[in-house]
Amino acid sequence: DIQMTQSPSTLSASVGDRVTITCRASQSISSWLAWYQQIPGKAPKLLIYKASSLESGAPSRFSGSGSGTEFTLTISSLQPDDYATYYCQQYHSYPWTFGQGTKVEIK
Amino acid sequence: QVQLQESGPGLVKPSETLSLTCTVSGGSVSSGFSYWSWIRQPPGKGLEWIGYIYNSGSTQYNPSLKSRVTISVDTSKNQFSLKLTSVISADTAVYYCATGYSTLDYWGQGTLVTVSS
Repeated sequence: DIQMTQSPSTLSASVGDRVTITCRASQSISSWLAWYQQIPGKAPKLLIYKASSLESGAPSRFSGSGSGTEFTLTISSLQPDDYATYYCQQYHSYPWTFGQGTKVEIK
Repeated sequence: QVQLQESGPGLVKPSETLSLTCTVSGGSVSSGFSYWSWIRQPPGKGLEWIGYIYNSGSTQYNPSLKSRVTISVDTSKNQFSLKLTSVISADTAVYYCATGYSTLDYWGQGTLVTVSS
């Protein structure tokens, strides 16, 4: 299985801050990476697919980059609705696997 | 826009079979999206992909669950289903169905299944 490792596990930030979350794969996954946002009690929501493509309807303050084994999710200016847990997921090979999650908290 | 809704028992006894159904609206299980997936999330923990059925009817399962999992489609009801046999307490989780063209574009709201006697 491909292991996905996110850092940090928890992040404290203020409204307006620029936030970056890193996801590393245990082997190359090309650009077959997605990012999801999960608000407590809700289902995950797709934000980014193919490493850098913004899902329709997702706010433009979210962006993704990277390829191979290292990827980042950036929130350009953190908004109150962005306090949530973020997961990366590889869909390069089976089984599809997720990172452990990064919780973004209010500072 | 496609909508997904999970349904099934919220409580299952150990060693029995967990059975869930995902009802699809705004789309068809026999066309459009490629992957019809199940994912689970134990309380307070991360996400685990269980498997999918492709729109051709082929399936792919997580090896960690493969011996116990079956995913199937009922095109007449526009539903797809999950069966997990011989459940244990570690199978207690919120179970989500999801679909997409290449990954998990749209998700159901999830349903909590507790394994307990």
